[in-house]
Amino acid sequence: QVQLVQSGAEVKKPGASVKVSCKASGYTFTSYGISWVRQAPGQGLEWMGWISAYNGNTNYAQKLQGRVTMTTDTSTSTAYMELRSLRSDDTAVYYCARKGWAGFDPWGQGTLVTVSS
Amino acid sequence: DIQMTQSPSSLSASVGDRVTITCQASQDISNYLNWYQQKPGKAPKLLIYDASNLETGVPSRFSGSGSGTDFTFTISSLQPEDIATYYCQQYDNLPPLSITFGQGTRLEIK
Repeated sequence: QVQLVQSGAEVKKPGASVKVSCKASGYTFTSYGISWVRQAPGQGLEWMGWISAYNGNTNYAQKLQGRVTMTTDTSTSTAYMELRSLRSDDTAVYYCARKGWAGFDPWGQGTLVTVSS
Repeated sequence: DIQMTQSPSSLSASVGDRVTITCQASQDISNYLNWYQQKPGKAPKLLIYDASNLETGVPSRFSGSGSGTDFTFTISSLQPEDIATYYCQQYDNLPPLSITFGQGTRLEIK
């Protein structure tokens, strides 16, 4: 079945970087894009950006431009999201999701990133 | 950026009730509107895509309608397992890709 499996929880200090992975299986990786969405504790969903697994094209949310980089490794069907210069308000669960033409389906299980000194 | 205004922010209803959630876009988005269900501690799940299309395997008590700027999500007969937070999401596939979620509606059993 189509599945996205993310890397484990991370604890980082302010100013550090974090890189979250998202391994895809059950479909042709390069036929879809991957979006990243985060959710701060008790808050709603925030779209972070998208990467084409076909050609590596990216679109990032304006709020995160300059701090986020999304990449893919087609040899392992894995997508990555790196966020730099971490602040306390970056503490959130980070999700990857497969994006077809319309909706996001499926989603990864989520990765908790905690930013704390 | 396109803003999505979702209401209400929370809702309490009884089993068997008809439940309606609305989402308004700040500009015309045609039918580029999806609905998700998120249960506590879980990832969101796609229920409705392109405003009114039911995702495979989703019960028929869920439905969506609307186009342009005004959209509606309906549960025809609320079931206990429907307790969750629901989000609308607009997508604009024309480059640069732009996606926005509504603020969410927390649905509780009365």
